[in-house]
Amino acid sequence: GAGVSQSPRYKVTKRGQDVALRCDPISGHVSLYWYRQALGQGPEFLTYFNYEAQQDKSGLPNDRFSAERPEGSISTLTIQRTEQRDSAMYRCASSSFGRNSQFFGPGTRLTVL
Amino acid sequence: GESVGLHLPTLSVQEGDNSIINCAYSNSASDYFIWYKQESGKGPQFIIDIRSNMDKRQGQRVTVLLNKTVKHLSLQIAATQPGDSAVYFCAENTATRSGNRDDKIIFGKGTRLHILP
Repeated sequence: GAGVSQSPRYKVTKRGQDVALRCDPISGHVSLYWYRQALGQGPEFLTYFNYEAQQDKSGLPNDRFSAERPEGSISTLTIQRTEQRDSAMYRCASSSFGRNSQFFGPGTRLTVL
Repeated sequence: GESVGLHLPTLSVQEGDNSIINCAYSNSASDYFIWYKQESGKGPQFIIDIRSNMDKRQGQRVTVLLNKTVKHLSLQIAATQPGDSAVYFCAENTATRSGNRDDKIIFGKGTRLHILP
């Protein structure tokens, strides 16, 4: 596609449920990043991939969060046993390689009730 | 801890004037800096970047200045327009960690730019 896409755009779930957030990067982009952004704050780094390899997951808050990119294209961020504090905008970005200019997707607004 | 941040949360500028948005960083190992613009309801949009071997870089109506001595970064927007209203974030990257490449980008808190008519 022309840009980074994310789905769903909005997700409302009950506490304790698992959620899977999807990111479809720009075609050909090697690097894919996941961020979490609270209202009025800058994006908070979660993890990133080069191709299918997860390079850095130091930003994942705890072991309920995981991400994968099995074929080096689409990525899924999974949150298990969601908690209210997980409510946020989750953003995905891709770049041609590494820290070059990143292109952000529209985000998934997650609300945990 | 080490972080990237901005001096002012809000900046109001008269339309047509130049805007200067400042950023201080504390990680002396950072060697790549980026400015992003985020309009309401949208994701951050890349504006301009600069590497630590430069002290100035110009784009279309924007200039980024880097002062490594005092760890200060600024974004200058010439002839500010209503469409420049947004939150601006600086971000940093440290090229190496324990000898290995790390492309993690760390964002600052953001400055909201208001354009006065």
